[in-house]
This record gives sequence, C-alpha cells and structure tokens, in this order.
Amino acid sequence: GDSVTQMEGPVTLSEEAFLTINCTYTATGYPSLFWYVQYPGEGLQLLLKATKADDKGSNKGFEATYRKETTSFHLEKGSVQVSDSAVYFCALGYSGGGADGLTFGKGTHLIIQP
Amino acid sequence: DSGVTQTPKHLITATGQRVTLRCSPRSGDLSVYWYQQSLDQGLQFLIQYYNGEERAKGNILERFSAQQFPDLHSELNLSSLELGDSALYFCASSTPRGGVSHEQYFGPGTRLTVT
Repeated sequence: GDSVTQMEGPVTLSEEAFLTINCTYTATGYPSLFWYVQYPGEGLQLLLKATKADDKGSNKGFEATYRKETTSFHLEKGSVQVSDSAVYFCALGYSGGGADGLTFGKGTHLIIQP
Repeated sequence: DSGVTQTPKHLITATGQRVTLRCSPRSGDLSVYWYQQSLDQGLQFLIQYYNGEERAKGNILERFSAQQFPDLHSELNLSSLELGDSALYFCASSTPRGGVSHEQYFGPGTRLTVT
C-alpha cells in the first residue's frame, strides 16, 4: 500500500534560518503530493501541492518539488519566521472526482526561536 | 477559514456511549472525507462519501459509520465508545460540482474525549 515517511521532530531553528523537512513516499500509482500545516488548536491548511513529476509547488515562501526518481517531496524555505512554528504534514492522494482519502506522514513539529 | 464547518467542537462522553459528529462541506463540494488524528496513530483516513454515496473506506472500525445527506452535509456515528477512540476527528471536502479537485479542505475538527 501507499505510505509517506517524513522526518520526526521537533525541529528547532533560529529565525531567518534555512528550512528543509524531508518527505519520501511509496505509491502504487501516480499520486499528487501535498504539504499541509497545522497551527496549534486548528485544523489542517493546505500549504502547497504538486500533481505530477517535476512540478514545483510554492506558497508563502515555501517550496517543494515532486521528484519521481527519488520518490521525494522535500519542503524548503529560505528564511523562516517565528510565525512558521507549526506541525507540517506531507501527504499523497489521487486526483479526480471521487478520489480516495489522503495518506499522511506522521508530521514534523517545527519550532522557530527568535 | 476553509469553509468546512464541524460541530461540536468538543465532546466528552463515557465508554459504551454513542455520539454523532457533524460536518458541512464547502459550498459546492461533493466529496466529504473523515479522518481521525491521535497521538499514537497519527492522521488516518476513515471514509469518503461522494454526492451521497460511499466512495472509499480506510481504517474505519465496524463500530463507526457515516452518511452523507441530500444537502451534502455528513455525519460520523461512533458507537460502543472505548477509551482508545479519544481523538481529534476531522472532516474535509473536495471535488466541486463539474470540476476536478486535487486537494482537500479541512474543517477545524471535533475533539472527542471518552472517559
């Protein structure tokens, strides 16, 4: 079956540091890939997505590239802020009407210190 | 605000009881998904409904069931509750009518505590 593996946290960085959160996947088909973010006490928000190999998703300074050859979708940001502190989830799913549910990684807790 | 609403926000109940969680999808979305988030299992897909019909099942227990109504809102029913059912339950929606959606939009969740 499908699975997503991401680095476990917490990951602690100083403000303005470079961020990388690793994500690799195993899939039986050709999924879309997603990063979701969960702030304390809130639901999940879609951060970015990529629907096919070599696509780059980007939003709010975050980027991730769909690498089929390495089955990876690593999340990066050049300069993090305290407000980026949250839990980040990598996920895969299959597009189209009636798609199945998403398969999530276990989440990476990111802490940014001023 | 994702446009997905869930009620109640918190629910405390005893073992053996039955509860119903409610979800209203984003306006126009046909698919509703239910997920369970717990510390030990992480985020797990439970079940999906599409335009009133069950479309896919994940790791949903037999004690749990769901339905989607003609107005597209959905309910998740949890019965014979056990301590281990304590978790955050999220609803998500996608697939606008006439379109193809690649992403799901999540509600704020219902926190269930079983004592």
